Amino acid sequence: NAGVTQTPKFQVLKTGQSMTLQCAQDMNHNSMYWYRQDPGMGLRLIYYSASEGTTDKGEVPNGYNVSRLNKREFSLRLESAAPSQTSVYFCASSLTGSATQYFGPGTRLLVL
Amino acid sequence: GQQVMQIPQYQHVQEGEDFTTYCNSSTTLSNIQWYKQRPGGHPVFLIQLVKSGEVKKQKRLTFQFGEAKKNSSLHITATQTTDVGTYFCAALTGGGNKLTFGTGTQLKVEL
Repeated sequence: NAGVTQTPKFQVLKTGQSMTLQCAQDMNHNSMYWYRQDPGMGLRLIYYSASEGTTDKGEVPNGYNVSRLNKREFSLRLESAAPSQTSVYFCASSLTGSATQYFGPGTRLLVL
Repeated sequence: GQQVMQIPQYQHVQEGEDFTTYCNSSTTLSNIQWYKQRPGGHPVFLIQLVKSGEVKKQKRLTFQFGEAKKNSSLHITATQTTDVGTYFCAALTGGGNKLTFGTGTQLKVEL
């Protein structure tokens, strides 16, 4: 059991470039989440998916899009990266009916 | 949206000293969770509290949920270097399983 995996681990982008962050879980969880973590700001929810086929905005969705490809995979896309999107991005998952979230190792993104 | 305030933001202690972090909300919470994030790592679930006044212990860690279910605390007795990291509280937000995280308390333990 790998749990929650994320790729890539690190990425450097130039302003205006696009990229997709990948997340997969092998725990048969229904719900998946994308967070960003900035110093002093805690974890802020970008988007979440309560179940396969559904996605909803979180606290800070602007500049991002998501795709719930299947039950296992939930991707986060930056269409035109901005320096303000420099952050650490975490994917998480949980079982329906349980609020406990399991996090991936994170993707460290630097936008120049 | 619901906000969860956490204090202090930072805490430096000498090894063997106690440590406490506090989490407060202006609204009544259905439950509260605590997570630990080691430096360079990802958040890891520690515990969930559901009942008013609930107290749970994990070795040297004691977790409390306030009687009014608006606040919670994590107390570490006799800190060790392995306790270093950032501790987050998190509360259920709206419907479903969405969590609102506190801003975290970064703990540093000096020998």
